[in-house]
Amino acid sequence: AQSVSQHNHHVILSEAASLELGCNYSYGGTVNLFWYVQYPGQHLQLLLKYFSGDPLVKGIKGFEAEFIKSKFSFNLRKPSVQWSDTAEYFCAALMNRDDKIIFGKGTRLHILP
Amino acid sequence: DVKVTQSSRYLVKRTGEKVFLECVQDMDHENMFWYRQDPGLGLRLIYFSYDVKMKEKGDIPEGYSVSREKKERFSLILESASTNQTSMYLCGEGLRGQPQHFGDGTRLSIL
Repeated sequence: AQSVSQHNHHVILSEAASLELGCNYSYGGTVNLFWYVQYPGQHLQLLLKYFSGDPLVKGIKGFEAEFIKSKFSFNLRKPSVQWSDTAEYFCAALMNRDDKIIFGKGTRLHILP
Repeated sequence: DVKVTQSSRYLVKRTGEKVFLECVQDMDHENMFWYRQDPGLGLRLIYFSYDVKMKEKGDIPEGYSVSREKKERFSLILESASTNQTSMYLCGEGLRGQPQHFGDGTRLSIL
Protein backbone atom coordinates (compact mmCIF):
# COMPACT_ATOMS: atom_id res chain seq x y z
CA ALA A 1 0.00 0.00 0.00
CA GLN A 2 1.09 3.54 -0.64
CA SER A 3 2.39 5.22 2.48
CA VAL A 4 4.56 8.00 3.85
CA SER A 5 6.81 7.40 6.85
CA GLN A 6 8.43 9.99 9.08
CA HIS A 7 11.27 8.65 11.16
CA ASN A 8 11.03 10.85 14.22
CA HIS A 9 7.90 11.60 16.20
CA HIS A 10 9.50 14.18 18.46
CA VAL A 11 12.73 16.12 18.00
CA ILE A 12 14.27 18.54 20.48
CA LEU A 13 17.08 20.87 19.41
CA SER A 14 18.80 23.96 20.69
CA GLU A 15 18.73 27.19 18.72
CA ALA A 16 21.35 27.35 15.94
CA ALA A 17 21.53 23.56 15.66
CA SER A 18 21.14 21.96 12.25
CA LEU A 19 17.95 20.11 11.45
CA GLU A 20 17.18 17.10 9.33
CA LEU A 21 13.79 15.40 9.41
CA GLY A 22 13.49 12.12 7.60
CA CYS A 23 10.69 11.15 5.23
CA ASN A 24 10.28 8.06 3.07
CA TYR A 25 7.48 7.08 0.76
CA SER A 26 6.50 3.75 -0.69
CA TYR A 27 5.52 4.00 -4.34
CA GLY A 28 7.44 3.16 -7.49
CA GLY A 29 5.75 5.55 -9.91
CA THR A 30 5.53 9.30 -10.39
CA VAL A 31 5.30 11.15 -7.13
CA ASN A 32 4.91 14.75 -6.03
CA LEU A 33 6.23 15.50 -2.55
CA PHE A 34 5.47 18.16 0.04
CA TRP A 35 6.39 19.33 3.47
CA TYR A 36 3.75 21.10 5.51
CA VAL A 37 4.22 22.93 8.81
CA GLN A 38 1.71 23.59 11.56
CA TYR A 39 2.72 26.25 14.08
CA PRO A 40 0.96 26.12 17.46
CA GLY A 41 -2.65 27.22 17.08
CA GLN A 42 -2.33 27.85 13.36
CA HIS A 43 -3.46 26.12 10.20
CA LEU A 44 -1.37 23.75 8.13
CA GLN A 45 0.69 25.62 5.56
CA LEU A 46 2.87 24.49 2.71
CA LEU A 47 6.60 24.75 3.40
CA LEU A 48 7.89 23.46 0.07
CA LYS A 49 7.05 21.13 -2.79
CA TYR A 50 8.77 18.93 -5.34
CA PHE A 51 7.21 18.10 -8.70
CA SER A 52 10.15 17.53 -11.04
CA GLY A 53 13.53 18.96 -12.04
CA ASP A 54 16.17 19.96 -9.52
CA PRO A 55 15.89 17.46 -6.64
CA LEU A 56 17.02 20.09 -4.14
CA VAL A 57 14.07 22.37 -3.46
CA LYS A 58 14.03 25.49 -1.37
CA GLY A 59 11.04 26.61 0.64
CA ILE A 60 10.03 29.39 2.94
CA LYS A 61 11.88 30.39 6.13
CA GLY A 62 15.22 28.89 5.08
CA PHE A 63 14.01 25.30 4.75
CA GLU A 64 15.09 22.99 1.96
CA ALA A 65 14.45 19.36 1.04
CA GLU A 66 16.22 16.87 -1.15
CA PHE A 67 14.45 14.27 -3.28
CA ILE A 68 16.53 11.09 -3.61
CA LYS A 69 14.63 8.78 -5.93
CA SER A 70 16.84 5.75 -5.31
CA LYS A 71 16.15 5.98 -1.58
CA PHE A 72 12.47 6.96 -1.89
CA SER A 73 13.29 9.82 0.44
CA PHE A 74 12.47 13.51 0.79
CA ASN A 75 14.26 14.78 3.88
CA LEU A 76 13.72 18.27 5.23
CA ARG A 77 16.74 20.34 6.31
CA LYS A 78 17.59 23.67 7.83
CA PRO A 79 21.19 24.65 8.65
CA SER A 80 20.39 26.71 11.74
CA VAL A 81 17.05 26.49 13.54
CA GLN A 82 15.34 29.24 15.49
CA TRP A 83 12.98 29.12 18.45
CA SER A 84 10.17 30.18 16.08
CA ASP A 85 10.60 26.91 14.15
CA THR A 86 8.89 25.08 16.99
CA ALA A 87 6.00 23.37 15.21
CA GLU A 88 4.74 20.08 13.85
CA TYR A 89 6.04 19.08 10.43
CA PHE A 90 4.25 16.76 8.02
CA CYS A 91 5.67 15.07 4.97
CA ALA A 92 3.10 14.29 2.27
CA ALA A 93 2.94 12.71 -1.16
CA LEU A 94 0.70 12.74 -4.21
CA MET A 95 1.26 9.49 -6.02
CA ASN A 96 0.66 9.13 -9.74
CA ARG A 97 -1.17 12.48 -9.87
CA ASP A 98 -3.95 11.07 -7.76
CA ASP A 99 -6.46 13.34 -6.07
CA LYS A 100 -5.52 12.30 -2.56
CA ILE A 101 -2.49 13.47 -0.68
CA ILE A 102 -1.07 10.90 1.74
CA PHE A 103 0.37 12.35 4.93
CA GLY A 104 2.99 11.03 7.29
CA LYS A 105 2.24 10.95 11.00
CA GLY A 106 4.12 14.14 11.69
CA THR A 107 7.20 15.19 13.65
CA ARG A 108 6.91 17.54 16.59
CA LEU A 109 9.92 19.85 16.65
CA HIS A 110 10.74 21.68 19.84
CA ILE A 111 13.49 24.30 19.78
CA LEU A 112 15.03 25.28 23.09
CA PRO A 113 15.89 28.99 23.37
CA ASP B 1 -4.53 34.41 -1.02
CA VAL B 2 -6.53 31.22 -0.76
CA LYS B 3 -9.06 31.20 2.03
CA VAL B 4 -10.59 28.08 3.53
CA THR B 5 -13.11 28.86 6.24
CA GLN B 6 -14.36 26.34 8.76
CA SER B 7 -17.51 27.36 10.56
CA SER B 8 -16.31 26.76 14.12
CA ARG B 9 -12.92 26.66 15.87
CA TYR B 10 -14.30 24.82 18.89
CA LEU B 11 -17.43 22.73 19.25
CA VAL B 12 -18.83 20.67 22.12
CA LYS B 13 -21.60 18.15 21.48
CA ARG B 14 -23.18 15.22 23.26
CA THR B 15 -23.11 11.55 22.41
CA GLY B 16 -25.82 10.65 19.91
CA GLU B 17 -26.24 14.14 18.50
CA LYS B 18 -26.08 14.80 14.77
CA VAL B 19 -23.17 17.16 14.14
CA PHE B 20 -22.50 19.33 11.10
CA LEU B 21 -19.07 20.77 10.28
CA GLU B 22 -19.01 23.30 7.47
CA CYS B 23 -16.19 24.32 5.17
CA VAL B 24 -16.15 27.03 2.51
CA GLN B 25 -13.40 27.81 -0.02
CA ASP B 26 -13.10 30.93 -2.15
CA MET B 27 -10.94 29.62 -5.03
CA ASP B 28 -13.49 27.74 -7.15
CA HIS B 29 -11.29 24.61 -6.96
CA GLU B 30 -12.64 21.18 -7.72
CA ASN B 31 -11.29 19.12 -4.85
CA MET B 32 -12.27 19.39 -1.22
CA PHE B 33 -11.27 17.12 1.64
CA TRP B 34 -12.07 16.34 5.25
CA TYR B 35 -9.38 14.97 7.58
CA ARG B 36 -9.17 14.27 11.23
CA GLN B 37 -5.92 14.98 13.06
CA ASP B 38 -5.01 13.02 16.18
CA PRO B 39 -1.70 13.09 18.10
CA GLY B 40 0.71 10.50 16.77
CA LEU B 41 -1.58 9.54 13.89
CA GLY B 42 -1.10 12.51 11.60
CA LEU B 43 -3.88 13.44 9.18
CA ARG B 44 -6.29 10.72 8.17
CA LEU B 45 -8.61 11.25 5.23
CA ILE B 46 -12.30 10.81 5.99
CA TYR B 47 -13.94 11.81 2.70
CA PHE B 48 -13.13 13.88 -0.32
CA SER B 49 -15.07 15.37 -3.20
CA TYR B 50 -13.82 16.19 -6.67
CA ASP B 51 -16.99 17.90 -7.90
CA VAL B 52 -20.42 19.02 -6.82
CA LYS B 53 -22.53 16.08 -5.61
CA MET B 54 -19.54 13.74 -5.99
CA LYS B 55 -17.85 12.10 -3.03
CA GLU B 56 -15.30 9.41 -2.36
CA LYS B 57 -14.54 7.56 0.84
CA GLY B 58 -11.16 8.09 2.37
CA ASP B 59 -9.38 5.86 4.84
CA ILE B 60 -11.73 6.25 7.82
CA PRO B 61 -15.28 7.03 6.58
CA GLU B 62 -17.16 4.99 9.17
CA GLY B 63 -19.54 7.09 11.24
CA TYR B 64 -19.30 10.06 8.87
CA SER B 65 -21.07 11.32 5.78
CA VAL B 66 -20.55 14.38 3.58
CA SER B 67 -22.51 16.75 1.43
CA ARG B 68 -21.42 18.95 -1.45
CA GLU B 69 -24.36 20.79 -2.96
CA LYS B 70 -22.33 23.79 -4.11
CA LYS B 71 -18.77 23.90 -5.36
CA GLU B 72 -17.51 26.18 -2.61
CA ARG B 73 -19.04 24.30 0.34
CA PHE B 74 -18.22 20.87 1.72
CA SER B 75 -19.98 19.63 4.84
CA LEU B 76 -18.97 16.81 7.16
CA ILE B 77 -21.76 15.11 9.08
CA LEU B 78 -21.46 12.94 12.15
CA GLU B 79 -24.72 10.99 12.01
CA SER B 80 -24.68 9.99 15.69
CA ALA B 81 -21.70 11.43 17.50
CA SER B 82 -19.62 9.16 19.71
CA THR B 83 -16.80 9.91 22.13
CA ASN B 84 -14.20 8.34 19.81
CA GLN B 85 -14.96 11.08 17.30
CA THR B 86 -13.49 13.70 19.62
CA SER B 87 -10.71 15.13 17.47
CA MET B 88 -9.41 18.03 15.40
CA TYR B 89 -11.11 18.17 12.01
CA LEU B 90 -9.36 19.82 9.08
CA CYS B 91 -10.87 20.86 5.78
CA GLY B 92 -8.63 21.14 2.71
CA GLU B 93 -9.11 22.19 -0.87
CA GLY B 94 -7.08 22.25 -4.07
CA LEU B 95 -6.66 21.54 -7.75
CA ARG B 96 -6.00 18.00 -8.89
CA GLY B 97 -2.34 17.12 -8.58
CA GLN B 98 -1.56 20.25 -6.57
CA PRO B 99 -0.86 20.81 -2.87
CA GLN B 100 -3.85 21.55 -0.73
CA HIS B 101 -4.74 24.58 1.35
CA PHE B 102 -6.27 24.09 4.76
CA GLY B 103 -8.66 25.81 7.12
CA ASP B 104 -7.88 26.57 10.76
CA GLY B 105 -9.53 23.37 11.97
CA THR B 106 -12.44 22.59 14.25
CA ARG B 107 -11.66 21.07 17.62
CA LEU B 108 -14.67 18.88 18.34
CA SER B 109 -15.37 17.40 21.75
CA ILE B 110 -18.06 14.76 22.19
CA LEU B 111 -19.21 14.37 25.79
